[in-house]
Amino acid sequence: QVNLLQSGAALVKPGASVKLSCKASGYTFTDYYIHWVKQSHGKSLEWIGYINPNSGYTNYNEKFKSKATLTVDKSTNTAYMELSRLTSEDSATYYCTREADYGFSDYWGQGVMVTVSS
Amino acid sequence: EIVLTQSPTTMTASPGEKVTITCRASSSVSYMHWYQQKPGASPKPWIYETSKLASGVPDRFSGSGSGTSYSLTINNMEAEDAATYYCQQWNYPTWTFGGGTKLELK
Repeated sequence: QVNLLQSGAALVKPGASVKLSCKASGYTFTDYYIHWVKQSHGKSLEWIGYINPNSGYTNYNEKFKSKATLTVDKSTNTAYMELSRLTSEDSATYYCTREADYGFSDYWGQGVMVTVSS
Repeated sequence: EIVLTQSPTTMTASPGEKVTITCRASSSVSYMHWYQQKPGASPKPWIYETSKLASGVPDRFSGSGSGTSYSLTINNMEAEDAATYYCQQWNYPTWTFGGGTKLELK
C-alpha cells in the first residue's frame, strides 16, 4: 500500500534552516510528482511547490521560491524540503503529497509540525 | 495565479439535511478537486476531477461544476461528515487551494 512517511516534529531557532523528509513506499517513486503543502495553525492549505523525482525538475509557488528547496534521493525513495532563514511565519504543519492525474493529490503524508522559536 | 473562493466559510447542518459548498475560481479551470480534513489529521482525497468520488467516500457526496463555478453536495448529512472541506485546482504547473468551508453538525 502507498505510504508517505514524514520526519518528526522540529523545533528550530529563528534564522536557522530545517530539512524535512518524506519517505515513499508502496509504489514506484519516480512515477509520481511529490508536492509540498503548508498549513499554518487554523488556516487553509498553501501550495509550496513540486518535484519530479525522476528528473529532479522543480517548480515553486513564487511566494516560496526563496524559502523552500526541494530535492529527492532516488536511492532511498525520499523527498526532502529544506526551509531556510526561518521566522515565526514559517511555524506550521507541512505535508508532502503524491500527485495523481490532473493535479489531484491522492496520498498525503501525516504532516510534520515545525515550530520556530528561540 | 488563480484564486479560489469558497462559500460559506462556516456552516452548520442537521442530520439528514442537504448541504452544498461552493468554490468559485477567478479564471476558468478544467477540473476541481476536493479534500476533507478533520482536526489533527491530514487532508483526505475526497472528490477528484470535479465529480469522481475517491476511494471510500460515501455516495451521498457528489461534485459538479464547470468553468469558474464548482460545488460539493452532501445528500443527507451525517455526523461523520462534520469536517473542513477544501477545493483545489491545478492550472499547470501550479496548484491553489480554497480557503476552506468548516461544516459543523447542528
